[in-house]
Amino acid sequence: GENVEQHPSTLSVQEGDSAVIKCTYSDSASNYFPWYKQELGKGPQLIIDIRSNVGEKKDQRIAVTLNKTAKHFSLHITETQPEDSAVYFCAAIGFSGGYNKLIFGAGTRLAVHP
Amino acid sequence: NAGVTQTPKFQVLKTGQSMTLQCAQDMNHNSMYWYRQDPGMGLRLIYYSASEGTTDKGEVPNGYNVSRLNKREFSLRLESAAPSQTSVYFCASRLHGPSNQPQHFGDGTRLSIL
Repeated sequence: GENVEQHPSTLSVQEGDSAVIKCTYSDSASNYFPWYKQELGKGPQLIIDIRSNVGEKKDQRIAVTLNKTAKHFSLHITETQPEDSAVYFCAAIGFSGGYNKLIFGAGTRLAVHP
Repeated sequence: NAGVTQTPKFQVLKTGQSMTLQCAQDMNHNSMYWYRQDPGMGLRLIYYSASEGTTDKGEVPNGYNVSRLNKREFSLRLESAAPSQTSVYFCASRLHGPSNQPQHFGDGTRLSIL
């Protein structure tokens, strides 16, 4: 079946450094790839998304890149700040089973140390 | 504008008890979803409702039922709770249309089954 693999599971960086989280997906028909940030005790919040007709998208300190050939997409956070500490989830749209569904990665726990 | 509201936020049940988790959205979204989140497993889809009056099974529907009460509300029921259903439950909603539209999440219900 479809799946999304996410690496690393934990990531620790110093404030000001960059952080990169990588995901691979299995369904070649996937055309939408959102990234969610989940803070402690809260629900996942969409931070950026990319559609398959573009290779890169930026929003201030965060960017996402997509390589459809390799079925690989990544989240890049530059100039990290302590408030970036959270769990990040990637996801991809899957189309089996008769309905569109979001397939989530297992998450990356990012810790930014002052 | 509250977005997606889930009640209760916390609940402890004994094995065999029943429980209904409530979800309401005020964004006039057509599609609504119930997920469960377990450590190291990301989010898994339990049930979804593509539009008012329709519901369908997701990845892990066993032991659950749902009701799409109206366009705003989508409830999840555990008829006979089991310890394996201890989890954090998230409701989400999405504007109907192309699959590449983001889902918006509530802050979750933390459910423990003893």
